[in-house]
Amino acid sequence: DQQVKQNSPSLSVQEGRISILNCDYTNSMFDYFLWYKKYPAEGPTFLISISSIKDKNEDGRFTVFLNKSAKHLSLHIVPSQPGDSAVYFCAARNSNDYKLSFGAGTTVTVRA
Amino acid sequence: DAGVTQSPTHLIKTRGQQVTLRCSPISGHKSVSWYQQVLGQGPQFIFQYYEKEERGRGNFPDRFSARQFPNYSSELNVNALLLGDSALYLCAGTRGTVLSPLHFGNGTRLTVT
Repeated sequence: DQQVKQNSPSLSVQEGRISILNCDYTNSMFDYFLWYKKYPAEGPTFLISISSIKDKNEDGRFTVFLNKSAKHLSLHIVPSQPGDSAVYFCAARNSNDYKLSFGAGTTVTVRA
Repeated sequence: DAGVTQSPTHLIKTRGQQVTLRCSPISGHKSVSWYQQVLGQGPQFIFQYYEKEERGRGNFPDRFSARQFPNYSSELNVNALLLGDSALYLCAGTRGTVLSPLHFGNGTRLTVT
């Protein structure tokens, strides 16, 4: 059962513009959400996280928004840079459990 | 500090064989988790160990087993390999506190022929 869904398999954006990645979840027990970035031949790298007690968390060019009522979160990258071209995974878990549930990923391509 | 190291990086096995994958977490990380990533999908949870004890197991058959050693390194064993076991196997460590994120290694690419 896919508890975390990323419905857009790919996203193409021009350098300098905003990238918006979306993620939906179905498990209401999830209370901690993370985004990971993955380059080819490398493992996923932690990017940013948000607890369910917040609705926004910002770290430099990356901002994650959480809408608990809609069970939806999004990652905004502003401005997008060529080095941001990668696969982005949304992940979620319950804070009492170390198991992470991942979405299928969104491949972001930043065009020069 | 060295990151999470996994060995080998690539492996080719034949159906029915057995495989052992190894992982060393970042120093100070006492919890190790294993994930399987099939092409086109996100990582799927297999096991989690903390202080050498299994704390969680995903929906994988008993052919999959793991253990954690006193130095917190870990091994993942898969018996009676099937073609469908071909995947990237990722190991991740964490300090073990509730909100500490997982730090992944680069994975072992297993191909079963």
